[in-house]
Amino acid sequence: GAGVSQSPSNKVTEKGKDVELRCDPISGHTALYWYRQRLGQGLEFLIYFQGNSAPDKSGLPSDRFSAERTGESVSTLTIQRTQQEDSAVYLCASSLMKSLANTGELFFGEGSRLTVL
Amino acid sequence: AQKVTQAQTEISVVEKEDVTLDCVYETRDTTYYLFWYKQPPSGELVFLIRRNSFDEQNEISGRYSWNFQKSTSSFNFTITASQVVDSAVYFCALSGLNQGGKLIFGQGTELSVKP
Repeated sequence: GAGVSQSPSNKVTEKGKDVELRCDPISGHTALYWYRQRLGQGLEFLIYFQGNSAPDKSGLPSDRFSAERTGESVSTLTIQRTQQEDSAVYLCASSLMKSLANTGELFFGEGSRLTVL
Repeated sequence: AQKVTQAQTEISVVEKEDVTLDCVYETRDTTYYLFWYKQPPSGELVFLIRRNSFDEQNEISGRYSWNFQKSTSSFNFTITASQVVDSAVYFCALSGLNQGGKLIFGQGTELSVKP
């Protein structure tokens, strides 16, 4: 597709279960970002990938959160043993990063809304 | 540390009014980038503008204009003759050089334009 694609768009889960959220970036975009947006709040940075390496994981809230990326393609954000405070919209973005010094526009997906009961 | 502050949580205006959304930022970087994004009710963030720290020229794009002032660390966004379709949450964001494009977002300003 032409844009960033995220799935599922909505996920309801029970506390304690694991969830996986998927992001398909725009083809050719080397950088991929995960953000979290709690209800009525701004975006919290979680992690970013350059290729399949993650130079900055500083935003991951706990060791229950992890993310992987296959090459310069799909990324998966995994939340283990979900808690109610994990309820949020998880947004993925990608960017055509020519170099670390070139901060280009981030293109966002529509997000995955996670509800933990 | 980098920080973006959008002091206005919610703004409500009547159609055709002008409205300014404030953004104040903090950074120790000498080179940095500032952004504005729009998040309509559908949820997908839409890029509006990127500004480099060494370019203080103000920019106008149709009804949108941006006022960048390094002296006050502000990057304010004005919508002229607002329309109902402008109703959205607007986010200001900051990125430093060599940070891989990671954006630090403000809390957002929810703009409601009433007919």
